[in-house]
Amino acid sequence: DTEVTQTPKHLVMGMTNKKSLKCEQHMGHRAMYWYKQKAKKPPELMFVYSYEKLSINESVPSRFSPECPNSSLLNLHLHALQPEDSALYLCASSQDMTSGRAEAETQYFGPGTRLLVL
Amino acid sequence: DQQVKQNSPSLSVQEGRISILNCDYTNSMFDYFLWYKKYPAEGPTFLISISSIKDKNEDGRFTVFLNKSAKHLSLHIVPSQPGDSAVYFCAASIQGGSEKLVFGKGMKLTVNP
Repeated sequence: DTEVTQTPKHLVMGMTNKKSLKCEQHMGHRAMYWYKQKAKKPPELMFVYSYEKLSINESVPSRFSPECPNSSLLNLHLHALQPEDSALYLCASSQDMTSGRAEAETQYFGPGTRLLVL
Repeated sequence: DQQVKQNSPSLSVQEGRISILNCDYTNSMFDYFLWYKKYPAEGPTFLISISSIKDKNEDGRFTVFLNKSAKHLSLHIVPSQPGDSAVYFCAASIQGGSEKLVFGKGMKLTVNP
């Protein structure tokens, strides 16, 4: 089973709203990732959590706030977003990110949340 | 500076024929390479990978070839099926490193019935 689930599937929010994206995996993976993808572009890494600790923040604006409540869950809290933040937000997970073993570092993606900021 | 390049934005092939998708990379430190397939409005699906200790990996209709000296890899799909029509991303990483997957820009494959 290589399933990563994400909710909601679609989200429309105003620039003053606060919302959260959720990601869940039950594969026992210890690394989880948030990506942003614009149309016809590759996914762009935003954040990486390793063993529930924030490992990488790719200079993402503070209006995006990640949270990893436990090893299976990853949230992305959104506040005061801009229309240019509209995109597909993807969550991914891998067994481990530091093992040096190829199989453990393969990332599996969820279906994404399509976000529209008005 | 683009470290992973997919120079052809699109490819169209006939059902039953071979599809060959190419990818070049510039960073000689990369030692793990992956191919993902993506349908519109969905997340990328992991297809196949190859470690730099190998030059070929096969999984059913999908085979990935790695030429380290040329810093080039390719994905062969044979026979191609209409359901293979999607955008394919090549990605690379350094094992045990900072975990970042570096993606190419993607290539749209269309398989015509």
